[in-house]
Amino acid sequence: AQKVTQAQTEISVVEKEDVTLDCVYETRDTTYYLFWYKQPPSGELVFLIRRNSFDEQNEISGRYSWNFQKSTSSFNFTITASQVVDSAVYFCALSEALQGAQKLVFGQGTRLTINP
Amino acid sequence: EPEVTQTPSHQVTQMGQEVILRCVPISNHLYFYWYRQILGQKVEFLVSFYNNEISEKSEIFDDQFSVERPDGSNFTLKIRSTKLEDSAMYFCASSRTYLTSDEQFFGPGTRLTVL
Repeated sequence: AQKVTQAQTEISVVEKEDVTLDCVYETRDTTYYLFWYKQPPSGELVFLIRRNSFDEQNEISGRYSWNFQKSTSSFNFTITASQVVDSAVYFCALSEALQGAQKLVFGQGTRLTINP
Repeated sequence: EPEVTQTPSHQVTQMGQEVILRCVPISNHLYFYWYRQILGQKVEFLVSFYNNEISEKSEIFDDQFSVERPDGSNFTLKIRSTKLEDSAMYFCASSRTYLTSDEQFFGPGTRLTVL
């Protein structure tokens, strides 16, 4: 069965530090998608990135970067020069193909606190 | 940009009452989903729906839950007799097809509090 593990339950850093959130996944599908979502205190899920399993290029978007390593089944997320506004719960997710359906399998989430 | 909307944003109900959570998926999407997030926990899949039928459901989605597309725009989740443990954030999502290459778009969620 598909599984996503975010081993870090909580991380707390001081503003301007770099921080990496880990995500390890298990899947039987040959084609799949990986996601990161941010959940601020208001509760909505804010989409950050979607990655195809065939595209192992690392991606950078401003202060955010993602490292996809198929060999270790990991899709880690790094925030460079963190800011207080980055404080949130971050979820890694994996798409699962079903018979005539699809679903997302989420990790437990990492609560990130950026202290001023 | 089209988006998934959900109403209400927050619903408070008494244990044993029926609640209906509403969602308006993106207009050209054909597949609809509900997910649940108990406070402090991960987001969990409840059900997927296509062509007025449930296509997949999780073990969480028991006989107390039902889904419906009552008209051309709304997609609803009904909980017949709410329990305290139904308190959670409920997210609706929609996608154009069932293929994983077609992304699911999430609504902002409805926070359900059962007293």
